[in-house]
Amino acid sequence: SAVISQKPSRDICQRGTSLTIQCQVDSQVTMMFWYRQQPGQSLTLIATANQGSEATYESGFVIDKFPISRPNLTFSTLTVSNMSPEDSSIYLCSVAPGRQNTEAFFGQGTRLTVV
Amino acid sequence: AQSVAQPEDQVNVAEGNPLTVKCTYSVSGNPYLFWYVQYPNRGLQFLLKYITGDNLVKGSYGFEAEFNKSQTSFHLKKPSALVSDSALYFCAVRDGPQKGNNNDMRFGAGTRLTVKP
Repeated sequence: SAVISQKPSRDICQRGTSLTIQCQVDSQVTMMFWYRQQPGQSLTLIATANQGSEATYESGFVIDKFPISRPNLTFSTLTVSNMSPEDSSIYLCSVAPGRQNTEAFFGQGTRLTVV
Repeated sequence: AQSVAQPEDQVNVAEGNPLTVKCTYSVSGNPYLFWYVQYPNRGLQFLLKYITGDNLVKGSYGFEAEFNKSQTSFHLKKPSALVSDSALYFCAVRDGPQKGNNNDMRFGAGTRLTVKP
């Protein structure tokens, strides 16, 4: 298993500003994933963050808007840049410490409200 | 690309009755299937998974799921629902171990389960 700490748990931000979300894992993992969950919706994968390489972004998400850092095997950050009210969502960090047949683990999420 | 569908936005059952939350999948090759539950203001909690072997999988909190390859389904079930089971349930899929597959997980739209006393 893996324990994930995500900070902040929630924030209210002004439009046009940026917020950096931190994700700390209690064990080394190769891949970390960032998801967005809009109000009442499912989880949408934003990007996959591998240590030592650039993140891989899903269709509809770009690095300029959601820059990601992955400095080591236990930590990652996601920045939501130049925020607008449409960015109001829950952002979740996830890891899958084993092979494909293991479950993924999730942080508690960051509830972001942009005003 | 792998995907799952949850055809019901909402499921309502009375406490003590059996519950079913439906999920169908579409993958290339052998699927790895998962169920998660999300309580209000909480992250996702893992319930159970199907990798291989017995089609009936037992998980946390008395939940179980049946893998049906011919119907490409993985419905979540519980023989006797509790009010505390009321939450948002997500089915998820990950591709099998073909070379080059990413390890990411794709989620269904979610089903809100309400169990009434």
